[in-house]
Amino acid sequence: ILNVEQSPQSLHVQEGDSTNFTCSFPSSNFYALHWYRWETAKSPEALFVMTLNGDEKKKGRISATLNTKEGYSYLYIKGSQPEDSATYLCAYPGGSGNTGKLIFGQGTTLQVKP
Amino acid sequence: SAVISQKPSRDICQRGTSLTIQCQVDSQVTMMFWYRQQPGQSLTLIATANQGSEATYESGFVIDKFPISRPNLTFSTLTVSNMSPEDSSIYLCSVGTAYGYTFGSGTRLTVV
Repeated sequence: ILNVEQSPQSLHVQEGDSTNFTCSFPSSNFYALHWYRWETAKSPEALFVMTLNGDEKKKGRISATLNTKEGYSYLYIKGSQPEDSATYLCAYPGGSGNTGKLIFGQGTTLQVKP
Repeated sequence: SAVISQKPSRDICQRGTSLTIQCQVDSQVTMMFWYRQQPGQSLTLIATANQGSEATYESGFVIDKFPISRPNLTFSTLTVSNMSPEDSSIYLCSVGTAYGYTFGSGTRLTVV
Protein backbone atom coordinates (compact mmCIF):
# COMPACT_ATOMS: atom_id res chain seq x y z
CA ILE A 1 0.00 0.00 0.00
CA LEU A 2 1.40 3.35 -1.02
CA ASN A 3 1.22 6.27 1.37
CA VAL A 4 1.70 9.93 0.55
CA GLU A 5 2.08 12.24 3.53
CA GLN A 6 2.03 16.03 3.52
CA SER A 7 2.96 18.44 6.25
CA PRO A 8 1.91 20.72 7.70
CA GLN A 9 -1.83 20.19 7.30
CA SER A 10 -2.44 23.96 7.36
CA LEU A 11 -0.38 27.09 7.41
CA HIS A 12 -1.20 30.74 8.10
CA VAL A 13 1.37 33.33 6.98
CA GLN A 14 1.53 37.06 6.45
CA GLU A 15 1.77 38.58 3.00
CA GLY A 16 5.43 38.72 1.99
CA ASP A 17 6.49 35.71 4.08
CA SER A 18 8.20 32.82 2.34
CA THR A 19 7.01 29.34 3.18
CA ASN A 20 7.54 25.70 2.34
CA PHE A 21 5.71 22.40 2.67
CA THR A 22 6.78 18.78 2.55
CA CYS A 23 5.53 15.74 0.68
CA SER A 24 6.86 12.28 1.51
CA PHE A 25 6.26 9.24 -0.66
CA PRO A 26 7.54 5.67 -1.08
CA SER A 27 11.07 5.81 -2.47
CA SER A 28 11.02 2.37 -4.12
CA ASN A 29 10.02 2.05 -7.81
CA PHE A 30 9.73 5.82 -8.22
CA TYR A 31 7.88 6.99 -11.34
CA ALA A 32 6.80 10.62 -10.93
CA LEU A 33 5.65 13.09 -8.30
CA HIS A 34 2.90 15.63 -8.99
CA TRP A 35 2.14 18.95 -7.30
CA TYR A 36 -1.27 20.60 -7.69
CA ARG A 37 -2.77 23.84 -6.46
CA TRP A 38 -6.49 23.67 -5.60
CA GLU A 39 -8.59 26.74 -4.95
CA THR A 40 -12.14 26.39 -3.63
CA ALA A 41 -14.74 25.87 -6.40
CA LYS A 42 -12.02 25.54 -9.06
CA SER A 43 -10.21 22.64 -10.75
CA PRO A 44 -6.94 21.47 -9.25
CA GLU A 45 -4.23 23.19 -11.28
CA ALA A 46 -1.08 21.29 -12.19
CA LEU A 47 2.05 23.00 -10.87
CA PHE A 48 4.84 20.48 -11.45
CA VAL A 49 5.45 16.91 -12.51
CA MET A 50 8.83 15.83 -11.21
CA THR A 51 10.62 12.76 -12.42
CA LEU A 52 14.38 13.09 -11.81
CA ASN A 53 16.19 12.82 -8.49
CA GLY A 54 17.66 16.19 -7.57
CA ASP A 55 15.32 17.99 -9.96
CA GLU A 56 14.28 21.53 -9.15
CA LYS A 57 11.41 23.21 -10.99
CA LYS A 58 10.21 26.79 -10.82
CA LYS A 59 7.02 28.61 -11.81
CA GLY A 60 7.09 32.28 -10.86
CA ARG A 61 7.47 32.51 -7.07
CA ILE A 62 6.80 28.79 -6.60
CA SER A 63 9.52 26.16 -6.82
CA ALA A 64 9.83 22.48 -5.96
CA THR A 65 12.66 20.06 -5.29
CA LEU A 66 12.74 16.29 -5.43
CA ASN A 67 14.72 13.62 -3.59
CA THR A 68 13.68 10.20 -4.87
CA LYS A 69 16.25 8.27 -2.81
CA GLU A 70 14.84 9.42 0.50
CA GLY A 71 11.28 9.90 -0.77
CA TYR A 72 10.46 13.56 -0.27
CA SER A 73 9.69 16.73 -2.20
CA TYR A 74 9.56 20.32 -0.97
CA LEU A 75 7.36 23.08 -2.37
CA TYR A 76 8.55 26.63 -1.73
CA ILE A 77 6.61 29.87 -2.12
CA LYS A 78 8.70 33.03 -2.04
CA GLY A 79 7.04 36.26 -0.88
CA SER A 80 3.55 34.81 -0.36
CA GLN A 81 0.59 36.81 -1.69
CA PRO A 82 -3.10 36.52 -0.73
CA GLU A 83 -3.81 34.95 -4.13
CA ASP A 84 -1.52 32.06 -3.14
CA SER A 85 -4.14 30.99 -0.60
CA ALA A 86 -5.18 27.48 -1.68
CA THR A 87 -4.70 23.82 -0.86
CA TYR A 88 -1.49 22.35 -2.26
CA LEU A 89 -1.65 18.66 -3.09
CA CYS A 90 1.08 16.22 -3.96
CA ALA A 91 0.32 12.92 -5.66
CA TYR A 92 2.17 9.78 -6.62
CA PRO A 93 1.15 7.37 -9.41
CA GLY A 94 -0.12 4.14 -7.88
CA GLY A 95 0.25 0.81 -9.60
CA SER A 96 2.95 0.30 -12.19
CA GLY A 97 3.64 3.31 -14.36
CA ASN A 98 0.85 4.81 -16.43
CA THR A 99 -2.21 3.18 -14.88
CA GLY A 100 -3.92 6.51 -14.30
CA LYS A 101 -4.25 6.04 -10.56
CA LEU A 102 -2.92 8.92 -8.47
CA ILE A 103 -2.45 8.55 -4.73
CA PHE A 104 -2.88 11.94 -3.09
CA GLY A 105 -1.66 13.34 0.18
CA GLN A 106 -4.18 15.15 2.38
CA GLY A 107 -2.89 18.49 1.23
CA THR A 108 -1.47 21.59 2.89
CA THR A 109 -3.97 24.46 3.14
CA LEU A 110 -2.23 27.83 2.96
CA GLN A 111 -3.86 31.08 4.13
CA VAL A 112 -1.97 34.26 3.33
CA LYS A 113 -3.16 37.29 5.31
CA PRO A 114 -2.84 40.73 3.71
CA SER B 1 -4.03 19.85 -22.28
CA ALA B 2 -7.67 18.75 -22.25
CA VAL B 3 -10.46 20.98 -20.90
CA ILE B 4 -13.16 19.31 -18.80
CA SER B 5 -16.66 20.63 -18.14
CA GLN B 6 -18.21 19.10 -15.02
CA LYS B 7 -21.84 19.46 -13.92
CA PRO B 8 -23.42 20.17 -11.52
CA SER B 9 -20.99 22.30 -9.55
CA ARG B 10 -22.89 21.71 -6.34
CA ASP B 11 -26.10 20.13 -5.08
CA ILE B 12 -27.96 19.48 -1.87
CA CYS B 13 -29.81 16.15 -1.95
CA GLN B 14 -32.16 14.23 0.28
CA ARG B 15 -30.92 10.93 1.69
CA GLY B 16 -32.08 7.92 -0.28
CA THR B 17 -32.04 9.75 -3.60
CA SER B 18 -29.47 9.56 -6.43
CA LEU B 19 -27.40 12.19 -8.20
CA THR B 20 -25.72 11.89 -11.60
CA ILE B 21 -22.58 13.92 -12.26
CA GLN B 22 -21.47 14.57 -15.85
CA CYS B 23 -18.05 15.26 -17.33
CA GLN B 24 -17.50 16.40 -20.90
CA VAL B 25 -13.95 16.54 -22.31
CA ASP B 26 -13.02 18.69 -25.30
CA SER B 27 -10.92 15.91 -26.86
CA GLN B 28 -11.05 12.13 -27.12
CA VAL B 29 -9.43 10.32 -24.20
CA THR B 30 -9.06 6.63 -23.47
CA MET B 31 -9.42 6.67 -19.71
CA MET B 32 -11.40 8.94 -17.42
CA PHE B 33 -11.03 8.85 -13.65
CA TRP B 34 -13.50 9.61 -10.89
CA TYR B 35 -12.26 10.81 -7.48
CA ARG B 36 -13.92 11.68 -4.19
CA GLN B 37 -12.74 13.89 -1.34
CA GLN B 38 -14.62 13.45 1.89
CA PRO B 39 -14.23 16.23 4.48
CA GLY B 40 -10.73 16.18 5.98
CA GLN B 41 -9.62 13.29 3.76
CA SER B 42 -7.38 12.85 0.71
CA LEU B 43 -8.66 12.75 -2.84
CA THR B 44 -9.37 9.06 -3.41
CA LEU B 45 -9.87 7.27 -6.72
CA ILE B 46 -13.32 5.70 -7.03
CA ALA B 47 -12.99 4.09 -10.46
CA THR B 48 -11.48 4.25 -13.93
CA ALA B 49 -13.97 4.58 -16.80
CA ASN B 50 -12.97 3.03 -20.12
CA GLN B 51 -15.02 3.44 -23.27
CA GLY B 52 -16.63 0.21 -24.40
CA SER B 53 -16.05 -1.75 -21.20
CA GLU B 54 -17.15 -1.76 -17.59
CA ALA B 55 -15.49 0.64 -15.21
CA THR B 56 -12.74 -0.65 -12.93
CA TYR B 57 -13.53 0.08 -9.28
CA GLU B 58 -11.04 0.60 -6.47
CA SER B 59 -11.22 -1.32 -3.24
CA GLY B 60 -14.13 -0.10 -1.12
CA PHE B 61 -16.20 1.16 -4.06
CA VAL B 62 -18.88 -0.89 -5.83
CA ILE B 63 -20.83 -0.54 -9.04
CA ASP B 64 -24.24 -0.66 -7.35
CA LYS B 65 -23.38 2.42 -5.29
CA PHE B 66 -21.40 4.32 -7.95
CA PRO B 67 -22.57 3.24 -11.42
CA ILE B 68 -20.51 4.81 -14.21
CA SER B 69 -21.31 5.27 -17.86
CA ARG B 70 -18.82 5.93 -20.66
CA PRO B 71 -20.80 6.06 -23.90
CA ASN B 72 -18.01 7.63 -25.98
CA LEU B 73 -14.43 8.94 -25.76
CA THR B 74 -15.41 12.45 -24.60
CA PHE B 75 -18.10 11.88 -21.98
CA SER B 76 -18.70 10.05 -18.72
CA THR B 77 -21.20 10.09 -15.86
CA LEU B 78 -20.92 8.99 -12.24
CA THR B 79 -24.09 8.32 -10.25
CA VAL B 80 -24.09 8.40 -6.47
CA SER B 81 -26.98 6.07 -5.56
CA ASN B 82 -29.15 5.79 -2.47
CA MET B 83 -27.29 8.64 -0.85
CA SER B 84 -26.55 8.98 2.84
CA PRO B 85 -24.86 11.88 4.70
CA GLU B 86 -21.53 9.96 4.44
CA ASP B 87 -21.64 10.59 0.68
CA SER B 88 -21.28 14.33 1.28
CA SER B 89 -18.03 15.01 -0.58
CA ILE B 90 -16.41 16.74 -3.50
CA TYR B 91 -16.46 14.54 -6.60
CA LEU B 92 -13.94 15.18 -9.38
CA CYS B 93 -13.39 13.69 -12.81
CA SER B 94 -9.96 13.64 -14.40
CA VAL B 95 -8.12 12.70 -17.58
CA GLY B 96 -4.42 12.38 -18.34
CA THR B 97 -1.34 10.26 -17.97
CA ALA B 98 1.25 9.70 -15.27
CA TYR B 99 3.02 12.79 -16.64
CA GLY B 100 0.10 15.10 -16.01
CA TYR B 101 -3.63 15.17 -15.32
CA THR B 102 -6.45 17.65 -15.89
CA PHE B 103 -9.41 17.83 -13.53
CA GLY B 104 -12.97 19.04 -13.72
CA SER B 105 -13.98 21.84 -11.38
CA GLY B 106 -15.70 19.39 -9.04
CA THR B 107 -19.18 18.69 -7.73
CA ARG B 108 -19.74 19.62 -4.10
CA LEU B 109 -22.44 17.29 -2.80
CA THR B 110 -24.26 17.72 0.50
CA VAL B 111 -26.67 14.99 1.59
CA VAL B 112 -29.25 15.99 4.20
